[in-house]
Amino acid sequence: EAGVAQSPRYKIIEKRQSVAFWCNPISGHATLYWYQQILGQGPKLLIQFQNNGVVDDSQLPKDRFSAERLKGVDSTLKIQPAKLEDSAVYLCASKLGQGKETQYFGPGTRLLVL
Amino acid sequence: GENVEQHPSTLSVQEGDSAVIKCTYSDSASNYFPWYKQELGKRPQLIIDIRSNVGEKKDQRIAVTLNKTAKHFSLHITETQPEDSAVYFCAPSSGGSYIPTFGRGTSLIVHP
Repeated sequence: EAGVAQSPRYKIIEKRQSVAFWCNPISGHATLYWYQQILGQGPKLLIQFQNNGVVDDSQLPKDRFSAERLKGVDSTLKIQPAKLEDSAVYLCASKLGQGKETQYFGPGTRLLVL
Repeated sequence: GENVEQHPSTLSVQEGDSAVIKCTYSDSASNYFPWYKQELGKRPQLIIDIRSNVGEKKDQRIAVTLNKTAKHFSLHITETQPEDSAVYFCAPSSGGSYIPTFGRGTSLIVHP
């Protein structure tokens, strides 16, 4: 079974530029998460999708971050414009249902904002 | 929102010793209690979890205990090995959709 795929793996941009990350969850997984992990900290949940609906986005900085999962499968996370403090690893994760199933993480996208 | 604290932030043990990491949370509605292991440069992976109606769960050298009244749960690793060296995160989850809040992590170092 293929795991959670993310691209790109690394991205370097200048502040005020835009960037987009892509995630393909495990086939058949209904729940998809985007996390931000700053060096030395735990993953911070940005947004949780159930199929193509948003379950929680209370910690998503909506003035600059947006995310979508239009067909309930792949998802994109966008930052526009980027700030220095957005430098982090962006992790995507998925799980089969909306219960207490195991959450599987992708390899992450490492973003550096200069 | 949920307030999650992990202690200690760093734990250094000798190979063969036991290690205990504690996670306290604030939301009494939390109902799912997983622990993740993240090795350097890698993705977090679930190592053990416990449901809210169970007090303890064991899986070989790893165990998790839950005290819902005091709102904390702990990870226990016995007979530690160098490959147990990693950062461990608790992530109590609440609500019908099990929205997780991760702790800041505990860096475990096992010296051979």
